[in-house]
Amino acid sequence: ETGVTQSPTHLIKTRGQQVTLRCSSQSGHNTVSWYQQALGQGPQFIFQYYREEENGRGNFPPRFSGLQFPNYSSELNVNALELDDSALYLCASEVWGPNTEAFFGQGTRLTVV
Amino acid sequence: SQQGEEDPQALSIQEGENATMNCSYKTSINNLQWYRQNSGRGLVHLILIRSNEREKHSGRLRVTLDTSKKSSSLLITASRAADTASYFCATDSSASKIIFGSGTRLSIRP
Repeated sequence: ETGVTQSPTHLIKTRGQQVTLRCSSQSGHNTVSWYQQALGQGPQFIFQYYREEENGRGNFPPRFSGLQFPNYSSELNVNALELDDSALYLCASEVWGPNTEAFFGQGTRLTVV
Repeated sequence: SQQGEEDPQALSIQEGENATMNCSYKTSINNLQWYRQNSGRGLVHLILIRSNEREKHSGRLRVTLDTSKKSSSLLITASRAADTASYFCATDSSASKIIFGSGTRLSIRP
């Protein structure tokens, strides 16, 4: 148990739709990162939020957006879903710093049809 | 693109044998971490080694880091069936942004 929960665990959406994925971080963790993991690949960094501000972004288009809330929860929003967005989406929370451990949720499996 | 690359991509060994996985990365780092993932689930943190450390142990795990070669290795001794999983190295090069490699899929044969 990492203390990080994601919802929903599974989701099926239609191409062109919008989706919101949710993550509840550990209390006191002021940093949350989101990752996309395609089947058989390593997690790809989408973006990171620190104290409710975006603090770095990977190579993902603007239709991927996020929010972080004061209660240690966060959201990943994806607009105009494409078939290639089908993946496992992972959030990771940690305390800001150079040598800290990130705690991962179990992920949301998104299937776009 | 991935920061780290694990080698081999897949490894199958007999239970009781040792498993060694390697990771190479491209840029300077603050630390390198190893994670384990069972069958498409969340990642579990195994061990963190700082850039000024060369070797670290945790139970049956031994990690080495060679910053001059930009490489790390993870050794699992006396493997068990429950060690079957994918193992990822991840580097933290700036402000806690963790970048993952593509992983090694480890299978332990009974």
